[in-house]
Amino acid sequence: GENVEQHPSTLSVQEGDSAVIKCTYSDSASNYFPWYKQELGKRPQLIIDIRSNVGEKKDQRIAVTLNKTAKHFSLHITETQPEDSAVYFCAARFSGGSNYKLTFGKGTLLTVNP
Amino acid sequence: SAVISQKPSRDICQRGTSLTIQCQVDSQVTMMFWYRQQPGQSLTLIATANQGSEATYESGFVIDKFPISRPNLTFSTLTVSNMSPEDSSIYLCSVGPRGGETQYFGPGTRLLVL
Repeated sequence: GENVEQHPSTLSVQEGDSAVIKCTYSDSASNYFPWYKQELGKRPQLIIDIRSNVGEKKDQRIAVTLNKTAKHFSLHITETQPEDSAVYFCAARFSGGSNYKLTFGKGTLLTVNP
Repeated sequence: SAVISQKPSRDICQRGTSLTIQCQVDSQVTMMFWYRQQPGQSLTLIATANQGSEATYESGFVIDKFPISRPNLTFSTLTVSNMSPEDSSIYLCSVGPRGGETQYFGPGTRLLVL
C-alpha cells in the first residue's frame, strides 16, 4: 500500500521567516496530495491541495510543489505568523480502485516564534 | 464545504462497554470515512463507510470491534465495541463531496476509556 514520509517532525522559525515541510510517497500511481493544518484540540483543516497534472500551486502565503519523478511534494509558507503555529499533515491518494482514501504523513509541529 | 457534526463530542466510558459515534453532514456526500487519531499521532483510517453495503476496513481493524453503518448519503455511525483503555483516542469522520476527492473532517469525538 501507499506510504508517506514527512520531514521534519518539528520545525521552529522566527516570525516573518519561511517554513518548508517535505513529504515523499511510495506509490507512483498516487495523483492527489492535500495538506491539512491541525491546531491544538481542533479538527484537521484542508489548507491547500495539488493534483499530479500540476507542478505548483499557490494560495497567498502558502504554496505546494510536486515532483512526480522524485515522488515528493512540499509545503512552503512564507512570511510566517504566530497563528501559523500548528501541526501540518501531508497526505497522498492512490489512484487505483474506486475509493478516495488518503494516506497521511506523521505530521510536522510548526512553531512560529514572535 | 459541507457542515459536518459529530455526537458525542467527548465521552468517558468504562471498559467492556460500547459507544456509538454519529456523523451527520448537511448535504449529500459520496464518500464517508472514519479515522482514529491517538494523542500526538497522525490520522489512521479505520474504514470507508459505504452506503447500503458493508464498510471497507483497513488492515488491523475489524467489523466486530468497529461496526459501521451508513444508511444514507448524509449520515454514518461508528461503534467502538467492548472498549479497553487502548481505545482511548479521538475518532473523526471525514467526507468527500459528490464527484470530489477532497476530504473534510468532522470536529471529532474524544473518547477516554477507564
